Amino acid sequence: EVQLVESGGGLVQPGGSLRLSCAASGFTFSNDDMHWVRLLPGRGLEWVSAVATAGDTYYLASVKGRFTISRDDAKNSLFLQMHGLTAGDTAVYFCVREVAGYFHHWGQGALVTVAS
Amino acid sequence: DIQLTQSPSFLSASVGDRVTITCRASQDIDSYLAWYQQNPGKAPKLLIYGASTLQSGVPSRFSGSGSGTEFTLTISSLQPEDFATYYCQQVISYPSITFGQGTRLEFK
Repeated sequence: EVQLVESGGGLVQPGGSLRLSCAASGFTFSNDDMHWVRLLPGRGLEWVSAVATAGDTYYLASVKGRFTISRDDAKNSLFLQMHGLTAGDTAVYFCVREVAGYFHHWGQGALVTVAS
Repeated sequence: DIQLTQSPSFLSASVGDRVTITCRASQDIDSYLAWYQQNPGKAPKLLIYGASTLQSGVPSRFSGSGSGTEFTLTISSLQPEDFATYYCQQVISYPSITFGQGTRLEFK
């Protein structure tokens, strides 16, 4: 059974930093592109970032330069380092496994709240 | 960026009803479209991909159709567990993937 378990969410002040982690199991992690998607309160789903199997990284324009996605295939783990957080980044962040271009498996989500 | 517009944004229906949700793309996306269901506090669930392919394990009352710029998700006979929010997603501009704004399906 595929499992994706996020951790590292919490309350952070504006301008602060947070690192999300995702522990993957039940599939060959190194074979798949991985993503972070967020659910913005009252605004729906928004793709945030992706890391390909070869290590190429991609970002939503509004987070580029502030967020860094990475993966550790030896530990079956995905990460999202977030800096310069603003209220607009408040969301539930999902770790997502992509299969053939579509988002087949999602974690349960990690809540990130940016507030003073 | 490719924009996806769903209609309606809110939909009230009853158990047993047939409902249709529409997703319109700002440019041709061929059949590179998926539909997801999300319940409050839960992870989104893939229902349909490639515009019309039913994901394994998804009940056959769900169906998808369309290509180019107009797509539909149909639920043939609503069940209590179907009251949720539905999102379309385009992947043709991978990795700059975008979602529709969502359609909230509520019990009438």
